[in-house]
Amino acid sequence: AQSVTQPDIHITVSEGASLELRCNYSYGATPYLFWYVQSPGQGLQLLLKYFSGDTLVQGIKGFEAEFKRSQSSFNLRKPSVHWSDAAEYFCAVGAGSMDSSYKLIFGSGTRLLVRP
Amino acid sequence: DVKVTQSSRYLVKRTGEKVFLECVQDMDHENMFWYRQDPGLGLRLIYFSYDVKMKEKGDIPEGYSVSREKKERFSLILESASTNQTSMYLCASSRQGNTIYFGEGSWLTVV
Repeated sequence: AQSVTQPDIHITVSEGASLELRCNYSYGATPYLFWYVQSPGQGLQLLLKYFSGDTLVQGIKGFEAEFKRSQSSFNLRKPSVHWSDAAEYFCAVGAGSMDSSYKLIFGSGTRLLVRP
Repeated sequence: DVKVTQSSRYLVKRTGEKVFLECVQDMDHENMFWYRQDPGLGLRLIYFSYDVKMKEKGDIPEGYSVSREKKERFSLILESASTNQTSMYLCASSRQGNTIYFGEGSWLTVV
């Protein structure tokens, strides 16, 4: 069965420090992978996605993620965190046909806290 | 910009009431989704629809139904609300094969 694991429930980093949020997936076929961010009381915003090609993908707000097939991972990174990055981050895998209809299977999320 | 609008942000309902959560998208998207979000569980798919009058069950459909009479509108229905349905509900939509966009969510409390 398809699943996504985000092993860290909470992560705290200092402003200006680097960040890595972990994501592991289980999916039988070629995975389509996503990272979304949710600010308090808001919906989800897409940060970046991987469908194929270059395994290092760039997203909005200075985020990037690297797809590693051998490790079944899609970790999110940012070189220097800003206080406004404090939010909850969700990794997801797309299940279904990417050419027509697919649905997202989400991890349980990682809440990022940023120390001044 | 894509707009997915959930008309009710905060609702308080009594146990046994029938509850309607409405979602409208303005981008002519074929696909629409209802997710439920609970702390520590992430988002779980309740139902999705890939066309008018078409629907498929997601991972947790029990206690819910949906209606899609028009392309732009996807309604989630709780026939008889229960306290364990207290949660945040997120609607989403997408064009085939493209990014899924989310609304801002509806917080439902059942007392």
